[in-house]
Amino acid sequence: DVKVTQSSRYLVKRTGEKVFLECVQDMDHENMFWYRQDPGLGLRLIYFSYDVKMKEKGDIPEGYSVSREKKERFSLILESASTNQTSMYLCASTISGASSYNEQFFGPGTRLTVL
Amino acid sequence: AQSVTQPDIHITVSEGASLELRCNYSYGATPYLFWYVQSPGQGLQLLLKYFSGDTLVQGIKGFEAEFKRSQSSFNLRKPSVHWSDAAEYFCAVGAPNTDKLIFGTGTRLQVFP
Repeated sequence: DVKVTQSSRYLVKRTGEKVFLECVQDMDHENMFWYRQDPGLGLRLIYFSYDVKMKEKGDIPEGYSVSREKKERFSLILESASTNQTSMYLCASTISGASSYNEQFFGPGTRLTVL
Repeated sequence: AQSVTQPDIHITVSEGASLELRCNYSYGATPYLFWYVQSPGQGLQLLLKYFSGDTLVQGIKGFEAEFKRSQSSFNLRKPSVHWSDAAEYFCAVGAPNTDKLIFGTGTRLQVFP
């Protein structure tokens, strides 16, 4: 079975802190994604990566950056956390190719609260 | 640009009743269409997907969905709901030869015994 794990289920940070959310997948997938999930807004794509050291902005990249140094690991970074970044963050991965064709496998999510 | 609409935010059904969750999409051609389910405290899991061919698609857990081009719809159905089906359901659309999925806002399903 494909497994996507996220480093924390719950995280509480203070405004202005630098926050790292880690995601690891064990199926050698090329493509990895970070979404945020908010009530009434569904899932919105923050960033995605189709290869090591490659990244592309999604629909809401402002205030976020990402890092992919190894194929299995994709990190989301909040350079200076703000209260409006309080949300559920979901990581996903999929095999190579046009990802909109392939099933995305999701991690369990990290619920981040910024105080 | 693609978009997805799930008009029902919250649906309540009794266990054993039938279920239909609505999904409408906007895209110039036939997109790739998906239904995902998110059980409490978990990530999303794929229920079924449609790319082409037979417009009635069977998925896991007894779910099916029907693609209707004339109505730009991809509604999810189940003939008899179980208490374990209580979850949030997301419809998603992807354009061919792109990397991204566009998700709807979700429908939360509550099941009463």
